[in-house]
Amino acid sequence: NAGVTQTPKFQVLKTGQSMTLQCAQDMNHNSMYWYRQDPGMGLRLIYYSASEGTTDKGEVPNGYNVSRLNKREFSLRLESAAPSQTSVYFCASSERSGREQFFGPGTRLTVL
Amino acid sequence: EDQVTQSPEALRLQEGESSSLNCSYTVSGLRGLFWYRQDPGKGPEFLFTLYSAGEEKEKERLKATLTKKESFLHITAPKPEDSATYLCAVQAMRDDKIIFGKGTRLHILP
Repeated sequence: NAGVTQTPKFQVLKTGQSMTLQCAQDMNHNSMYWYRQDPGMGLRLIYYSASEGTTDKGEVPNGYNVSRLNKREFSLRLESAAPSQTSVYFCASSERSGREQFFGPGTRLTVL
Repeated sequence: EDQVTQSPEALRLQEGESSSLNCSYTVSGLRGLFWYRQDPGKGPEFLFTLYSAGEEKEKERLKATLTKKESFLHITAPKPEDSATYLCAVQAMRDDKIIFGKGTRLHILP
């Protein structure tokens, strides 16, 4: 089992460019999450999907969109990147709400 | 508003010197409280889940406890390999959002 995988590992964008961060899990988990981690701010929830077919906003959703493509995959899209979106992005999954989360290795994004 | 506050922000201990990390939380109806360990450049790794006040869980040198307002992560006779950032998170009953604290950076000196 690969667990939670994320692509790409690193990305540099120019302001205004768009991109999609990909996340997949092979544990048959129902719930999936996207976080960003910034120095001094901790992990902050961007969007989550409690089950296939549903998505909800987290603490910091502005500037992002998500798609729960199927039970395995949950993507995060930046339509028009801004320097404030420079961060490390983590995807996570859990069997269901209330259970522990398993995290991917992260994507380090820099927006110039 | 749901909140998680961890203290101290950073802690340096000598190898073998036991201590505790604190996680204070405010949430309307606790679904679960989670402890994770994060090493530099990696994603968080799950340690414990606690669901109700009075519950305790142990794993090697770590022991997590829970009250109605806070959780402690006790580290007994730590080793240098226990050096990491320890994260606390809570999930409320009413929705599936998870709120993380900012973490405690633990450094164990040999």
